[in-house]
Amino acid sequence: EVQLVESGGGLVQPGGSLRLSCAASGFTFSSYWMHWVRQAPGKGLVWVSRINSDGSSTSYADSVKGRFTISRDNAKNTLYLQLSSLRAEDTAVYYCARGSPSDYWGQGTLVTVSS
Amino acid sequence: DIQMTQSPSSLSASVGDRVTITCRASQGIRNDLGWYQQKPGKAPKRLIYAASSLQSGVPSRFSGSGSGTEFTLTISSLQPEDFATYYCLQHNSYPHTFGQGTKLEIK
Repeated sequence: EVQLVESGGGLVQPGGSLRLSCAASGFTFSSYWMHWVRQAPGKGLVWVSRINSDGSSTSYADSVKGRFTISRDNAKNTLYLQLSSLRAEDTAVYYCARGSPSDYWGQGTLVTVSS
Repeated sequence: DIQMTQSPSSLSASVGDRVTITCRASQGIRNDLGWYQQKPGKAPKRLIYAASSLQSGVPSRFSGSGSGTEFTLTISSLQPEDFATYYCLQHNSYPHTFGQGTKLEIK
């Protein structure tokens, strides 16, 4: 069974940093491109970032470019999103998702940016 | 960036109704489009990929059509469990972009 389990969310002050993780199981993680998508409270889905299967290529939404970094460890079957210089508008549930258009999603982890 | 304009933003319908949701892309995206259903507090669920291919396990009352810039999701006969929010997603080019969502409510 394919499973994606996010962790690492929490309350952080503006300007702070956080690293999100997404543990994958039930499939050959190293064969898939992976994505992060976020959803602010009561709002729609917003694509954030993607990484190719071996980690050599990445893309970002303009709103997070230069502040967020996506990475992966195929030996650990884990996807990461490093969040830096956080702003109130980054408050959201962050989902990791497999492939395009993503067929499996994690349950999400909530990031709250507030003082 | 490719903009996805989804309509309507909300829709009130009854069990048994046929409903259609539309997404229009600001430029051609071939058939690089998926449709998702999301219920409150849950992750999105993929219904359709490649614009018209039904995800395994999804009821056949859901169907997708279109190519290029115009796409539709149709639910042929609404069931109680279909009341949710629906999103389209283009994955033709980066950044990938979602439609604004359609909230389907019970009349």
